[in-house]
This record gives sequence, C-alpha cells and structure tokens, in this order.
Amino acid sequence: KNEVEQSPQNLTAQEGEFITINCSYSVGISALHWLQQHPGGGIVSLFMLSSGKKKHGRLIATINIQEKHSSLHITASHPRDSAVYICAVRAYSGGGADGLTFGKGTHLIIQP
Amino acid sequence: NAGVTQTPKFRVLKTGQSMTLLCAQDMNHEYMYWYRQDPGMGLRLIHYSVGEGTTAKGEVPDGYNVSRLKKQNFLLGLESAAPSQTSVYFCASSYYGIGYEQYFGPGTRLTVT
Repeated sequence: KNEVEQSPQNLTAQEGEFITINCSYSVGISALHWLQQHPGGGIVSLFMLSSGKKKHGRLIATINIQEKHSSLHITASHPRDSAVYICAVRAYSGGGADGLTFGKGTHLIIQP
Repeated sequence: NAGVTQTPKFRVLKTGQSMTLLCAQDMNHEYMYWYRQDPGMGLRLIHYSVGEGTTAKGEVPDGYNVSRLKKQNFLLGLESAAPSQTSVYFCASSYYGIGYEQYFGPGTRLTVT
C-alpha cells in the first residue's frame, strides 16, 4: 500500500521566514503533486513534478526520486501563505488509471 | 470560465435520506473525480470517470453511486445517507489522465444526523 507522509503536521512561523514542508512516500511514482488548500476550503494545484525542481514565484518544489522524498519551500513567507499544503503521488504502474494517494496535509500559519 | 462548480455548498441530511451532489466543469475535461475529505485523513477517491458515459470505483465507493451522462457534469448520489458519510466532498477534473493536474471545485460540506 502506498503511504504518503508529510512533516511537519503543523507549522507556525513569522513573516519573512523560509519555510520547508517535507513529503515522503513508499512506492515508485510517476508524478508528485503539491496542492494548497485555503482556509475557505478551496484546493489549487501548485506543482506537478517527476524529477528535479520547479519554481513559481516564491514557491520551490524539489523531488529526489531515489530517496522517495519531496520538499516544498516558501521563501519570504507572508501571512497570505497560511494554508494547508498537501502532497499527493501517482504510483507508477506502467499504465492504467491509478489514482492519487494524498498525504494528510501540513497546516501552515504565518504570523505578521 | 467558471472552472469547476459544485452544488450545493452545504447540506444537512437525516440518516436514511437521499441526495445528489452536482459537479459541473466548463473546461472540456475528459476526466472527473469525486473525493471526500475527513479530519486527520488525506483526500480519498470515491469514484471517477474517464469520459462521458463511463464511471469507475475509487478507494471508498461503498454507499455512493455516480453518473456521467454529459461530459461537463458528474453526479454523486447517496441513496441512504449514514452518519459515516458526514464529510466534505470535492469534485475535480483534469484534461489529461488521473495522475495529472487536477482542478478542484469549492467543496460541499455534508452533515448526516
């Protein structure tokens, strides 16, 4: 069974701090997603990656396939970054409609 | 474009009642999904569809039925609601396959008493 573990579960930081959220998974994957869920409940896709690193604004996502690990970094954090960040993976099966397995999320609060 | 919309946003049901949640997308996506989100757990896939007229079971399908009569709509039905179905339900759609970028609706908060 594919497990997706995120750490930390909860994180409170001050505005401007560099934030790192980690995601580890147990099986071979073909893609990993980072999602953001706002306090109002809406979910948006931030990144989909299968290797290396991607950057969008102040957000950076990296993945190490060999170590089965991904990190999401936020530079110069801001209170509007406060949200739940969710990691999800697509297991590699060589074909077929495999679903995503989701982590439980990391609840991030950035204080002014 | 409205993206992915869900109706209703909130609902309270009594045990044994039935209801249908409606998901609509205007992005011409082939793939659509229904998830449930419970406290302390990750999103779990209930049912999904890879195209008009097709549906398939996900991780937690029991107690739910779905239909995809039109490409833009994906309906989730609860025939006899149970308190264990109290949850937040999210619909999502994607242009590519199930492991690719998904666009989520705003969610429906359902309480079964």
